[in-house]
Amino acid sequence: AQKVTQTQTSISVMEKTTVTMDCVYETQDSSYFLFWYKQTASGEIVFLIRQDSYKKENATVGHYSLNFQKPKSSIGLIITATQIEDSAVYFCAMREGDSNYQLIWGSGTKLIIKP
Amino acid sequence: EAAVTQSPRNKVAVTGGKVTLSCNQTNNHNNMYWYRQDTGHGLRLIHYSYGAGSTEKGDIPDGYKASRPSQENFSLILELATPSQTSVYFCASGGDNTEVFFGKGTRLTVV
Repeated sequence: AQKVTQTQTSISVMEKTTVTMDCVYETQDSSYFLFWYKQTASGEIVFLIRQDSYKKENATVGHYSLNFQKPKSSIGLIITATQIEDSAVYFCAMREGDSNYQLIWGSGTKLIIKP
Repeated sequence: EAAVTQSPRNKVAVTGGKVTLSCNQTNNHNNMYWYRQDTGHGLRLIHYSYGAGSTEKGDIPDGYKASRPSQENFSLILELATPSQTSVYFCASGGDNTEVFFGKGTRLTVV
């Protein structure tokens, strides 16, 4: 059965530091796609970054990067040089390669950036 | 940047009334989705579509219908609204090999 688990419900860090948010997934498929989204205080859900399972190199976009550990079924999101506006809820999601294009969602991690 | 527009952004409906939530995307994406988000439940899939004329049931379809009359438009219909359908509804679209992009959400209150 497919499942995405985010065990950290809330994280608080100081501004300008680096934070890592954890996500583990379960799938029987050999091909799958992993995504991270951010939900802002206004409620908007914004796509941040993706990792395709066949790619060995960790994805990087701006100050977001991924730590993809395929043997551990883990896809961590790393945010460097955090800013106050990074405060949000972060969701991890997975889509299996031969699925009907549905996304399986984690429960989210609330990130608080302190000045 | 992909554009998904939802209307209305806020809606108050009476119990037993009909509610239609509309969604338009300008990205020529095949796939469109309707989710609801409630505190403690995260995002739950109500209906989705692979293209014009198709609708599929998601995880929580009871009490909802969907309509995809064109590639760009996907509606969610509550024929007989109930207070339990008070929630925030998100529409999203995505291509077959792309990430999914969300609208800004519709806050529905059924009184």
